[in-house]
Amino acid sequence: KNEVEQSPQNLTAQEGEFITINCSYSVGISALHWLQQHPGGGIVSLFMLSSGKKKHGRLIATINIQEKHSSLHITASHPRDSAVYICAVRTHGGSQGNLIFGKGTKLSVKP
Amino acid sequence: NAGVTQTPKFQVLKTGQSMTLQCAQDMNHEYMSWYRQDPGMGLRLIHYSVGAGITDQGEVPNGYNVSRSTTEDFPLRLLSAAPSQTSVYFCASRGGSNQPQHFGDGTRLSIL
Repeated sequence: KNEVEQSPQNLTAQEGEFITINCSYSVGISALHWLQQHPGGGIVSLFMLSSGKKKHGRLIATINIQEKHSSLHITASHPRDSAVYICAVRTHGGSQGNLIFGKGTKLSVKP
Repeated sequence: NAGVTQTPKFQVLKTGQSMTLQCAQDMNHEYMSWYRQDPGMGLRLIHYSVGAGITDQGEVPNGYNVSRSTTEDFPLRLLSAAPSQTSVYFCASRGGSNQPQHFGDGTRLSIL
């Protein structure tokens, strides 16, 4: 069983829809990251959070430490949001707190 | 703001060849790491470094070497390329333990 599970694997939405991507993890963490990978391949860090909620523009990330679950929400989705969204957790101790990655959620927003 | 710079962007090798993937960052980050990304799998850690002169193995280190002679540079060496090493390779760096990772643009490597 993967330590970081994302759902759904693939998601197609119409422009303007509200989108939710989920991430569940099974290890103790010090922080959770949401990353975005565009078709060109580059990876950008969207959020890093250890509790509560963060908002940046149309993106909102929440985390529930007790339930070991995080969600990434996109409001008023746009075709330019089409990308792979990756959840990653930084574990306590271990290999200098290296990241463990989910397999990603491929989002396609249709105009 | 260069951030994390990887070279080359694309490379094709023959089985048995060796090569070095370059990674440089200009943010004075202590922590650098190399990942590989394969279809259907999450990014997997190959090697990492917590500072100049210090390196350690990640999840999938076999067939790769690294060194960290300066804070800025963290090259990844393939000793004898194998088709199983066909992948996209990402270098990343971060400042403190609670800082976000900065990724390079990736190197797409094909081994024939």
